[in-house]
Amino acid sequence: AQSVTQLGSHVSVSEGALVLLRCNYSSSVPPYLFWYVQYPNQGLQLLLKYTSAATLVKGINGFEAEFKKSETSFHLTKPSAHMSDAAEYFCAVSDTSNQFYFGTGTSLTVIP
Amino acid sequence: DTGVSQDPRHKITKRGQNVTFRCDPISEHNRLYWYRQTLGQGPEFLTYFQNEAQLEKSRLLSDRFSAERPKGSFSTLEIQRTEQGDSAMYLCGATRGLEAIQYFGAGTRLSVL
Repeated sequence: AQSVTQLGSHVSVSEGALVLLRCNYSSSVPPYLFWYVQYPNQGLQLLLKYTSAATLVKGINGFEAEFKKSETSFHLTKPSAHMSDAAEYFCAVSDTSNQFYFGTGTSLTVIP
Repeated sequence: DTGVSQDPRHKITKRGQNVTFRCDPISEHNRLYWYRQTLGQGPEFLTYFQNEAQLEKSRLLSDRFSAERPKGSFSTLEIQRTEQGDSAMYLCGATRGLEAIQYFGAGTRLSVL
């Protein structure tokens, strides 16, 4: 089975600072990788996806992530944090079995 | 708009009662998934459908849980004899065609008193 590890359940950054949220996956086959964002009492919204095209993936709201096969990582970054980025972020992996596996999430706090 | 709607958004029930949740994806969504999410955790897979066929069920899905997708369109998730441990957010996700992206509804938050 696939698994996803998100390092750091809570991350705090100052407004305007770099955001880095870490995700490592285990997969025996080339995976599909995703980052989702969840605001309180809402469902999950797709930020970006990796599906074996370019290794650097750009998403919505200025976020991007880089697929590094050698490190089995798919870390999420944003150059400059905004107050509206405060939310819960989930990394997910899927393979040809059509199952999705989610990490435990990282709560991002943005300090004004 | 993700094209996936869930109803109700909130449900409060007493222990031992049965509850049913509904998920309505738009017609292009051929695969439909149910997840349970507890506070501070990521979504945990419960079951999924390819059109009307239920293809996989998690071991988390006890015999008190049942899901249906009778016409390959909307789906229902029923929990019988609810327990306090069933309190969680229940999320529905759906994918379109061969696309590997999952779109989510806003979820149903269940509170069992």
